Amino acid sequence: GAVVSQHPSRVICKSGTSVKIECRSLDFQATTMFWYRQFPKQSLMLMATSNEGSKATYEQGVEKDKFLINHASLTLSTLTVTSAHPEDSSFYICSASRGSNTEAFFGQGTRLTVV
Amino acid sequence: AQRVTQPEKLLSVFKGAPVELKCNYSYSGSPELFWYVQYSRQRLQLLLRHISRESIKGFTADLNKGETSFHLKKPFAQEEDSAMYYCALQGTGFQKLVFGTGTRLLVSP
Repeated sequence: GAVVSQHPSRVICKSGTSVKIECRSLDFQATTMFWYRQFPKQSLMLMATSNEGSKATYEQGVEKDKFLINHASLTLSTLTVTSAHPEDSSFYICSASRGSNTEAFFGQGTRLTVV
Repeated sequence: AQRVTQPEKLLSVFKGAPVELKCNYSYSGSPELFWYVQYSRQRLQLLLRHISRESIKGFTADLNKGETSFHLKKPFAQEEDSAMYYCALQGTGFQKLVFGTGTRLLVSP
């Protein structure tokens, strides 16, 4: 199967700072990448869908100015949590697919803790 | 609206017992349904999708449009099946997946 790598796997940051999470497809070109957020013992909630070279499509209720998504190449998408607050602490997961109706491969997730 | 419901948070069975993890969905069109599995300390991975009609690791799932269900079944559970299982739906023409809340399967020896 294809490999998707997230970095970092764990990050602690201070309130008010910004943190960037990377999602890379290591052995395939990802036309589409997805960013999810998962609260403890809850399901994955889709935050946004990004297609390479286009602006991300955000789900309802997700602040695009707070969660900046960039998908500048076919192998890399980044999620930047700006001016982070403790309530942004969560597990963020990305997935990547080659295109429509193709399997999405998941990264290992990033645990963000804002103190 | 697209919705996936997994009514059981935890399913505990003994090794060799049959397993059925329930999944119901709400969608007005013809969805594509998936089961994803997450083993301890590992990433989420696709277990099976309804259009492939495969049996993966002994698991099968049949899409029942009348009951809007996509239950995951295995006749004889193994300890290594212990994991978190998520049912997911992809709407027609949509790329995104909508996930259920997940069911933790615990298979005891």
